[in-house]
Amino acid sequence: GIQVEQSPPDLILQEGANSTLRCNFSDSVNNLQWFHQNPWGQLINLFYIPSGTKQNGRLSATTVATERYSLLYISSSQTTDSGVYFCAVGRSSASKIIFGSGTRLSIRP
Amino acid sequence: KAGVTQTPRYLIKTRGQQVTLSCSPISGHRSVSWYQQTPGQGLQFLFEYFSETQRNKGNFPGRFSGRQFSNSRSEMNVSTLELGDSALYLCASSLARGAGTDTQYFGPGTRLTVL
Repeated sequence: GIQVEQSPPDLILQEGANSTLRCNFSDSVNNLQWFHQNPWGQLINLFYIPSGTKQNGRLSATTVATERYSLLYISSSQTTDSGVYFCAVGRSSASKIIFGSGTRLSIRP
Repeated sequence: KAGVTQTPRYLIKTRGQQVTLSCSPISGHRSVSWYQQTPGQGLQFLFEYFSETQRNKGNFPGRFSGRQFSNSRSEMNVSTLELGDSALYLCASSLARGAGTDTQYFGPGTRLTVL
């Protein structure tokens, strides 16, 4: 099956800093999503981005499907950005998405 | 439009009991998937239902089962609970069949503790 690796596993930053989270996947995919898991456990959709670049406020994401990786950029970090960020991938033939192990981001005031 | 809802939000059970969790998808969504999240195994796929039929199942024992009703609401059941079943159970819905093709929207989860 597809393997999904996220890096770094942990990231501690000061408020106002920028960060880049990476997601590598081992095979071609048709679906790639980035999620933020809040302290209560809910997964919040950030981006659906099987290819290309998208931006939403301080967050942006880029997926280079031919090279099998995706990047999530967070600029001017705020304490509310803390939490775990997951990348998940899927194929059109599959009924499931496969999650990476996540990046735990801690933003210090 | 209301999001995905899950009930109950918290459950405490003892070993050997059974439990039923409920998920109501976003209105108009016909696909419901279930995932288990534990600190050791991360997020793992349990099963997907579309049009009241199970379309795919993850690598879990037969104690884990589910169903989907005609209004797309879904339930999952775990029988003969074990300590290792303690986890956050997440439900996701999507418009089309197959998470491989469509954006998944997750509910707040049910946190199950087995004593």
